[in-house]
Amino acid sequence: QSALTQPASVSGSPGQSITISCTGTSSDVAGYSYVSWYQQHPGKAPKVIIYDVSNRPSGVSDRFSGSKSGNTASLTISGLQAEDEAEYFCCGYIISGTRYVFGTGTKVTVL
Amino acid sequence: QIQLQQSGPGLVKPSQTLSLTCAISGDSVSSNSAAWNWIRQSPSRGLEWLGRAYYRSKWYIDYGLSVRSRVVINPDTSKNQVSLLLNSVTPEDTAVYYCARVRFGFDYWGQGTLVTVSS
Repeated sequence: QSALTQPASVSGSPGQSITISCTGTSSDVAGYSYVSWYQQHPGKAPKVIIYDVSNRPSGVSDRFSGSKSGNTASLTISGLQAEDEAEYFCCGYIISGTRYVFGTGTKVTVL
Repeated sequence: QIQLQQSGPGLVKPSQTLSLTCAISGDSVSSNSAAWNWIRQSPSRGLEWLGRAYYRSKWYIDYGLSVRSRVVINPDTSKNQVSLLLNSVTPEDTAVYYCARVRFGFDYWGQGTLVTVSS
C-alpha cells in the first residue's frame, strides 16, 4: 500500500487556523473510521493528537480537531501557537495487507 | 503510568538479524484491549508500520507487506515484553525503530532506537 498523501508544508501566523489534508483511497481512509493524527517534534517520538477520525485524547488541546470526507481526512489547528510548529502525520487503518499506512508528513511552520 | 522501554543494538551488519525488545510497564502485553506494534521511521521511507501482536483469547500477529518475509514479532508474557526480529538486513533498513501501543490511536511510544546497518 502506498503512503497517504499530505501537503509537504503548511504555514500560518499565530492565532490563525490551518488545515492539513490526508488523501487516501477507498481501501484506507474512506472505508474505515480508524484515522489518527500525530504531532512530532524533532528528535521525539510521535504523539497522538486525534484518533478515530475526530476524537481527542485526554490532555490534547481542543485547538486540534479532525474530520473525514470520502477519501480525505483533515486536521485543523485553530489559534495557531509557536509550540504547534512540528511535523504532522496521518495514519489510516486498512482491513487487509499492511494494516496501518502513514501519511507522507506535513511540516507546519508558525510565521 | 504506561511506559515502553526499548533495548537492543544500534549497529547491525548487512545480512545479519536486527533484534529489539520493548519492555512494557503499566499495562499487559496480554491486554484484551490493546495491540503492541513496531514502527520505523527513516527520511527515505517515512513512517512504516512493521507489525503487531495482540491477544484476544488467543494470540494474533500481523506483519507489514514490505517486511513480511523477513520479520518476526514475538510477545513474551513472562517478561511482559514484545520483541522484533528482522533478518537479512540491508542499509535500506537503517531507521529509528519504535514500539508503540495502539488503543486510542498509537497512544504510547517507546523512546526510539536508531539502528544503523553498516559493515
